[in-house]
Amino acid sequence: GAVVSQHPSWVICKSGTSVKIECRSLDFQATTMFWYRQFPKQSLMLMATSNEGSKATYEQGVEKDKFLINHASLTLSTLTVTSAHPEDSSFYICSASGVGDTEAFFGQGTRLTVV
Amino acid sequence: QKEVEQNSGPLSVPEGAIASLNCTYSDRGSQSFFWYRQYSGKSPELIMSIYSNGDKEDGRFTAQLNKASQYVSLLIRDSQPSDSATYLCAVKKGGKLIFGQGTELSVKP
Repeated sequence: GAVVSQHPSWVICKSGTSVKIECRSLDFQATTMFWYRQFPKQSLMLMATSNEGSKATYEQGVEKDKFLINHASLTLSTLTVTSAHPEDSSFYICSASGVGDTEAFFGQGTRLTVV
Repeated sequence: QKEVEQNSGPLSVPEGAIASLNCTYSDRGSQSFFWYRQYSGKSPELIMSIYSNGDKEDGRFTAQLNKASQYVSLLIRDSQPSDSATYLCAVKKGGKLIFGQGTELSVKP
């Protein structure tokens, strides 16, 4: 399958600071990227869908001013968690999909801990 | 009604048996269906994709799709302890990839 690289794999930050997570498609052009959050023992919750060059579409209940998503190129999308709080601690995972209704491949995930 | 529903399990099968995982979806207009496997603490990895009615086989895995019944399943033949994981059903709808809650599979040696 295609390769999607996500960094960092884990991060610990202080409450009130911002954290940026990168997601790169290494061997294909990712026209669409999805950002998910997963709490322990729960399924993936879609936070937002971003298409290259367009503003991200956020799911209901997800604060777009808190979770900033940028998808400026066909190989890179970033998620910035602004003014992080302990309740933002979670496993954040990106997924990338190419042209057409194709499979989506996942990055390794980022475990965020806010202290 | 959830958009994508799976039995949460856990589903326990003996080694060598067939494991059967089921998924239903609510949007009749959905066109693309996927099965992912997720080990604890890791991100999901794609096992199978299926787009048309019928069966699709890949090694020990067979995906089955019935659009009329809005049902998709995954069969794992000759189950191995290494197959123990959570299996996630996903449906692409309106450009979004929506997941079910996952079924935890345990294969006992």
